[in-house]
Amino acid sequence: AQTVTQSQPEMSVQEAETVTLSCTYDTSESDYYLFWYKQPPSRQMILVIRQEAYKQQNATENRFSVNFQKAAKSFSLKISDSQLGDAAMYFCAYRSGETSGSRLTFGEGTQLTVNP
Amino acid sequence: DAGVIQSPRHEVTEMGQEVTLRCKPISGHNSLFWYRQTMMRGLELLIYFNNNVPIDDSGMPEDRFSAKMPNASFSTLKIQPSEPRDSAVYFCASSFWGNYGYTFGSGTRLTVV
Repeated sequence: AQTVTQSQPEMSVQEAETVTLSCTYDTSESDYYLFWYKQPPSRQMILVIRQEAYKQQNATENRFSVNFQKAAKSFSLKISDSQLGDAAMYFCAYRSGETSGSRLTFGEGTQLTVNP
Repeated sequence: DAGVIQSPRHEVTEMGQEVTLRCKPISGHNSLFWYRQTMMRGLELLIYFNNNVPIDDSGMPEDRFSAKMPNASFSTLKIQPSEPRDSAVYFCASSFWGNYGYTFGSGTRLTVV
């Protein structure tokens, strides 16, 4: 079974600075998708960014980018120019690409605090 | 699109009572997922459906839990009888095969006293 590990329960960053959240995963599959979700205090789960394993190019969405290291099974999220609204719990998630419509497996989450 | 709609947003019930949580997925999505979130166990998949058919219910904790998807636009998660340890936030999510991520509802916070 696939597992997702986020080793940083909590992180903090100064407003306008850059922060990187870590995620590692374990899988024997070659085809899969990786995601970062944000959960603010409103508890809504919001998709931040996704990465297809077959793509070598790292995904980018505005201030959010990933560093995808397939061989190392690492998928970190970089937030640039951090804003107060970025404060939230961030979850890394894995989905198998070998079974259509299959489940998302989540990591434990990293609580990000943004200091003004 | 209104997104994934869950109801109720909050539910407080007494132990032993039946609880029904409801979900309306995004129109056109063919996969639906029920997750439970607790501090101790994080986000756990309870069950998921493809094209209204249950595919994997191995995450359903006990026979007290049941889920149905009678049509493409509606699903329910029922707990009968409820227990205090069922207290959690229950999320419904839908996707089109999951390739572009899942859209989550706002969740139902269940408190069993």
